[in-house]
Amino acid sequence: TQLLEQSPQFLSIQEGENLTVYCNSSSVFSSLQWYRQEPGEGPVLLVTVVTGGEVKKLKRLTFQFGDARKDSSLHITAAQTGDTGLYLCAGLDTGNQFYFGTGTSLTVIP
Amino acid sequence: NAGVTQTPKFRILKIGQSMTLQCTQDMNHNYMYWYRQDPGMGLKLIYYSVGAGITDKGEVPNGYNVSRSTTEDFPLRLELAAPSQTSVYFCASSYWEGANVLTFGAGSRLTVL
Repeated sequence: TQLLEQSPQFLSIQEGENLTVYCNSSSVFSSLQWYRQEPGEGPVLLVTVVTGGEVKKLKRLTFQFGDARKDSSLHITAAQTGDTGLYLCAGLDTGNQFYFGTGTSLTVIP
Repeated sequence: NAGVTQTPKFRILKIGQSMTLQCTQDMNHNYMYWYRQDPGMGLKLIYYSVGAGITDKGEVPNGYNVSRSTTEDFPLRLELAAPSQTSVYFCASSYWEGANVLTFGAGSRLTVL
């Protein structure tokens, strides 16, 4: 079993603040994805990172894949209430299986 | 396109009962998956299929069975429901080419009492 640990598990911040969510593993992944899940719905893909050291920006969200392809981070600038949700990282191993992280529940307070 | 459709959305079972969670996708995806999500947790893979007629176990297959007779359908069967199977179940599909992207259904919330 590939274990992906996310931190923090819960995060409550004021609108306009910045935050970073971390996804760490001792295993190497061929790619890593970030999903956001809202209550009562399935996860929706935000981004896929493939190359070690890769950085991708999606408006106020910045995603980074570690050089060794074992870890990733998600940084949100100037959080908005619409960013509230459960953020999940998912690593794709060499056996073509996805392993999901433990999740980070983000609440942005107006 | 409807994407991935799961039924039922909610279900309450008694211990020992059986039921099938239905999953259908209309995107002609070859890969399909069943995950379970416990409160405040990530997703655990139960079973997956790489194409019609082919299924394989994931991380937590005990107490479940699947079949894949067509590309579109991937039902999940619970034979003898137990309280430990209380969870939210998600079906997902993907088309295996390049960077794989999972498309999820809306989930089925199952409670076993």
